[in-house]
Amino acid sequence: DQQVKQNSPSLSVQEGRISILNCDYTNSMFDYFLWYKKYPAEGPTFLISISSIKDKNEDGRFTVFLNKSAKHLSLHIVPSQPGDSAVYFCAASAINDYKLSFGAGTTVTVRA
Amino acid sequence: SQTIHQWPATLVQPVGSPLSLECTVEGTSNPNLYWYRQAAGRGLQLLFYSIGIDQISSEVPQNLSASRPQDRQFILSSKKLLLSDSGFYLCAWSVYGGAKNIQYFGAGTRLSVL
Repeated sequence: DQQVKQNSPSLSVQEGRISILNCDYTNSMFDYFLWYKKYPAEGPTFLISISSIKDKNEDGRFTVFLNKSAKHLSLHIVPSQPGDSAVYFCAASAINDYKLSFGAGTTVTVRA
Repeated sequence: SQTIHQWPATLVQPVGSPLSLECTVEGTSNPNLYWYRQAAGRGLQLLFYSIGIDQISSEVPQNLSASRPQDRQFILSSKKLLLSDSGFYLCAWSVYGGAKNIQYFGAGTRLSVL
């Protein structure tokens, strides 16, 4: 059962514009949420995270928003750059759980 | 700083042959360790995780096994590979007991079973 869902498999955006990636989850016990970025043939790299006690976390061009009531989070990338072209994974973990549940990923392509 | 090493980067094996993938972590003690597989065009599937030496949990019944002979060493094995074992295998670590469950990944191993 997929507890973390990324319903958009791909996203194409023009360089300089905003990229918005969405993620939904079903497990109400999730309290920590992460975004990873992955290039082909490489391991995922941690990008940004947010705790359930917050609704926004910002790090440079990357901002993650959390809507607990809707069980929804999003990642905003502003402005988008060619190097942002990659697969982005949403992940979540529950309190005292060692494991992460991952979404299927969204492939972002930034057009020049 | 902490680093994670995973090898080999690429492996081509015949069906029925054995498998051994190794992962080591440096710069931290008693890490949580994980093995994932990413099938073509799909997300990350957790295969095994370990919170200590000889403490290994299996998430998905399959043709693979894992061992942790040392604190910072995690090995993924198979006695006889199947075609369906092909994929991209990733090792990861996280801080034991950390408040934030951030996992850090190795570079991955591309396994092709022919």
